[in-house]
This record gives sequence, structure tokens and C-alpha cells, in this order.
Amino acid sequence: DAKTTQPNSMESNEEEPVHLPCNHSTISGTDYIHWYRQLPSQGPEYVIHGLTSNVNNRMASLAIAEDRKSSTLILHRATLRDAAVYYCILREGATNKFYFGSGTKLNVKP
Amino acid sequence: DADVTQTPRNRITKTGKRIMLECSQTKGHDRMYWYRQDPGLGLRLIYYSFDVKDINKGEISDGYSVSRQAQAKFSLSLESAIPNQTALYFCAISGQGFGGYTFGSGTRLTVV
Repeated sequence: DAKTTQPNSMESNEEEPVHLPCNHSTISGTDYIHWYRQLPSQGPEYVIHGLTSNVNNRMASLAIAEDRKSSTLILHRATLRDAAVYYCILREGATNKFYFGSGTKLNVKP
Repeated sequence: DADVTQTPRNRITKTGKRIMLECSQTKGHDRMYWYRQDPGLGLRLIYYSFDVKDINKGEISDGYSVSRQAQAKFSLSLESAIPNQTALYFCAISGQGFGGYTFGSGTRLTVV
């Protein structure tokens, strides 16, 4: 099974950038890298995904290492509403299945 | 209406009882999934379905069964509930390709 490794928790100050790292050393060539976040008492929410190239959307940016064994989710200006658990997930190319890890709990300080 | 609706939102049931969790969607996606989340942990895949006639086991299917009654409906059953099935259950949908999932709001199930 595809696996990811993330720090258990991180802390950021409001309005500062946040870089959330993820290691996925066993990634295969057809696996997509997805990021979701989960706010308290809610289901996970899609943030961004990519395959090889860096990606940007209105929520965040995704930087993917050249060897694809790691990636970084970038929140450009953290707000209090960004406090959540962030999951880095590999979507397996062969099966289209996701495998969730334990995620990184992001705390944003005012 | 929400894209993915799960019912009930909360349920307390007794050990040995049969219980069904329901999921319906309004997006017209073919792919539907059931996940389980335990406190402090990520989500684990129970079952998934890529169309009405397709049912597949996930990581932790023992003790669970599913039914895909229609493209828009995917139900999860616990035939004989046990306390270690106490968890938060999420239904998710996705379209074809490698885009993202849309999750429901979850069903909190407690087995006493």
C-alpha cells in the first residue's frame, strides 16, 4: 500500500506562510499526491492534488520534489480558519484508492 | 442540498444489533466509498464501488457489508454490531480520473 509520513503537529502565526511537509518514498509513477484537510466535526475537504509539476489554486500551492518522494503544501497566509488536520494522501494509479495517514494537526496562533 | 448526505448523523446501538448507515449523492458520480475514522487517526477504507454492479473490499471490510442500490445510493451495514465498531463513518464520492473526493458530514456510531 502507498504510504505517507507527516509530522504529527505544527504551529503557525496568523497571516504568515505555512509549509506542511510530506514524505512518500514508496510512491509509484502513476500515484497522484492529494491533500485534504479536516476541520473539527466535519468530513475531510479537498485542498489540492498533483502528479509531477507544482500546482496552485485559490486555497494553497503544492510543491512536488523532482524525485516525487516528498511534497510540501503551502498556505500562503494562514488564518485562524486554517486550523485543521491536514492529510497528505497518495491516490494509487492502479486502483484509484486513497490511503490516509494520521495527518498533521495545524494550530494557528493569533 | 449537500452533494453527499449521510443518515443518521448520530446513532447509539446495542451490541449484536443490525444497523444500516445510508449515503446518497446529487453529483451523478459513479464512484462511492465508505471510510471509518477512529479518534486521533486517519481514515481507513471499508468498501468502495465504481458503479452499481461493482463492489470492492477495502482495508477493513470484516464485519461490514454494503449495498449499491442505485448510482446515487450506497449503504453500509453492520450485521451484528460490536463495541470496537464505535467510530466516525464517512461516505465519499468521486468522478472518473484522478480528481478529488467529496465527503459527507459523517455518521457518529456508538455501539454499547
